[in-house]
Amino acid sequence: AQKVTQAQTEISVVEKEDVTLDCVYETRDTTYYLFWYKQPPSGELVFLIRRNSFDEQNEISGRYSWNFQKSTSSFNFTITASQVVDSAVYFCALSETGGSQGNLIFGKGTKLSVKP
Amino acid sequence: GAGVSQSPRYKVAKRGQDVALRCDPISGHVSLFWYQQALGQGPEFLTYFQNEAQLDKSGLPSDRFFAERPEGSVSTLKIQRTQQEDSAVYLCASSSTRSVGYIKETQYFGPGTRLLVL
Repeated sequence: AQKVTQAQTEISVVEKEDVTLDCVYETRDTTYYLFWYKQPPSGELVFLIRRNSFDEQNEISGRYSWNFQKSTSSFNFTITASQVVDSAVYFCALSETGGSQGNLIFGKGTKLSVKP
Repeated sequence: GAGVSQSPRYKVAKRGQDVALRCDPISGHVSLFWYQQALGQGPEFLTYFQNEAQLDKSGLPSDRFFAERPEGSVSTLKIQRTQQEDSAVYLCASSSTRSVGYIKETQYFGPGTRLLVL
């Protein structure tokens, strides 16, 4: 069965610290997509990244980086030199391809608080 | 261009009332999804439209929930005889292509409608 687990419910760091948000997924599909979204207090889900299962290359975008490892079914997200504006709930999500219409399966989210 | 918009942003309903939630997807987006997000949880899939066709409604929790997208653009999620357990944020998302086969395009979300049933 498909599932996304974000074991960290809440994380609190001090500004400029690095922080890693964990995501572990389960799927029987060989082709799938993984996503990270940010949900600030305003409530809107903001798209951060999309990876397909054939592309295990890690990605860096400014202070954000993602580590995709199929061997451990993990897609972790690291924020370097965190800032107060990074405070939000972060969701990891999975989209399967076999027989699915593409709906996203979300984890429960990790609430990140960055204190000045 | 404009993103996904939803209205109303907040809705308070008395138990038993009917409510209608509106979603305006990004212009030209073919696929439209509705999700329900309970407090402290991740969003959960409700239903999917490809243009005006509702191709998947497996996530709708009961027959009190009904969604439509008659002209393939704006969509409405209707909840009849609301119950307290319907209190949640209802999120709409759209993506640019048909959601079939091996290509799953990125979904862009609206701000959500926060529904409180008293």
